[in-house]
Amino acid sequence: NAGVTQTPKFRILKIGQSMTLQCTQDMNHNYMYWYRQDPGMGLKLIYYSVGAGITDKGEVPNGYNVSRSTTEDFPLRLELAAPSQTSVYFCASHSPWTTSNTGELFFGEGSRLTVL
Amino acid sequence: AQTVTQSQPEMSVQEAETVTLSCTYDTSENNYYLFWYKQPPSRQMILVIRQEAYKQQNATENRFSVNFQKAAKSFSLKISDSQLGDTAMYFCAFMKLTIYNQGGKLIFGQGTELSVKP
Repeated sequence: NAGVTQTPKFRILKIGQSMTLQCTQDMNHNYMYWYRQDPGMGLKLIYYSVGAGITDKGEVPNGYNVSRSTTEDFPLRLELAAPSQTSVYFCASHSPWTTSNTGELFFGEGSRLTVL
Repeated sequence: AQTVTQSQPEMSVQEAETVTLSCTYDTSENNYYLFWYKQPPSRQMILVIRQEAYKQQNATENRFSVNFQKAAKSFSLKISDSQLGDTAMYFCAFMKLTIYNQGGKLIFGQGTELSVKP
């Protein structure tokens, strides 16, 4: 069982370039999230999705776009990369919460992005 | 918009002693969940404890308990009998529930780095 898989794990971008961070989960989870974590800081929610075809903005959506065409995939697109987007990005997912599993989140290993 | 604030960037405690981590949040919602997550150096996020906003009783999980003050929008975590393995970053988190009450927008605080000293 692979869980939540993020690719790439590391990437260096030049200012103005674009790229897509991939996130795939094989647990049939409805809920998926993208966070960024700057050094010594907490996780900031970029976008989230409650199911295929449904996405919504989080706290820091500017400069990013997402899509959710399938339950499994939730790619994060960076357009016109800027140094302020240098961070570690985490994808997370969970199944519909019940009384027995509320709060259980599955995180990917993270993608470290540097914009120079 | 919801916000979560952890005002203690770092804390330390001696092994076997008790420590309390603070968290405040701001929301106009009435139906939500609150969580404490632990992030060890491996970066894996581990659920420590959860609290449903409609429940007045404070949640407990073994050595971990919370003090939930809904009117004050405060949600502190108490760790009793601290162990070396408790050393980690601790995040307070808030979730506004969707109409299905099965998940939703999950917001994290800035984190508190806890060191347990032998």
